[in-house]
Amino acid sequence: GDSVTQMEGPVTLSEEAFLTINCTYTATGYPSLFWYVQYPGEGLQLLLKATKADDKGSNKGFEATYRKETTSFHLEKGSVQVSDSAVYFCALSEYNFNKFYFGSGTKLNVKP
Amino acid sequence: NAGVTQTPKFQVLKTGQSMTLQCAQDMNHNSMYWYRQDPGMGLRLIYYSASEGTTDKGEVPNGYNVSRLNKREFSLRLESAAPSQTSVYFCASREGPLSSEQYFGPGTRLTVT
Repeated sequence: GDSVTQMEGPVTLSEEAFLTINCTYTATGYPSLFWYVQYPGEGLQLLLKATKADDKGSNKGFEATYRKETTSFHLEKGSVQVSDSAVYFCALSEYNFNKFYFGSGTKLNVKP
Repeated sequence: NAGVTQTPKFQVLKTGQSMTLQCAQDMNHNSMYWYRQDPGMGLRLIYYSASEGTTDKGEVPNGYNVSRLNKREFSLRLESAAPSQTSVYFCASREGPLSSEQYFGPGTRLTVT
């Protein structure tokens, strides 16, 4: 079945450091891939997405590239800010978007 | 524009009690979802409703029932709560077949003692 595996956290970085959060997936078909972000006490918000192989999703300085050959969708940001502190979830959905599968989440702490 | 709203925000139940979690969206979305979030396990889909009048099981439906009351509202019922159902519950909605983005409510924190 479909599944998503993320690197365990928490990840602690200093402000302006480079961020990578690893995500790999298993899927039977050709899924769309997503990164969602959850700020403390809130629901999840879509951060970025990619719908086919080699697509790059980007938003607010975050990027992720859909790599079919390595079944990966790693999240990167060149220079993190304290305001990026949150939990980040990788997710996938197959063609009709009726079901979504989420990874376990990676907590990011950014220190000034 | 309130988006997705959930009530209540917090709830404590005793084992065996029943309750209904309410969810409503004002975005005229077709699809709605219920998830539970547990530490170290991410979000797991309980039930979803692809469109008004339809509901389907997700990964972890046991112990839950749902009702798509109308296009706006999608409720989750626990008939006989168990400690294993202690979790944070999120409702989400999605516009329709061509849209992949889900919009999430703020969550309900449920504790079963």
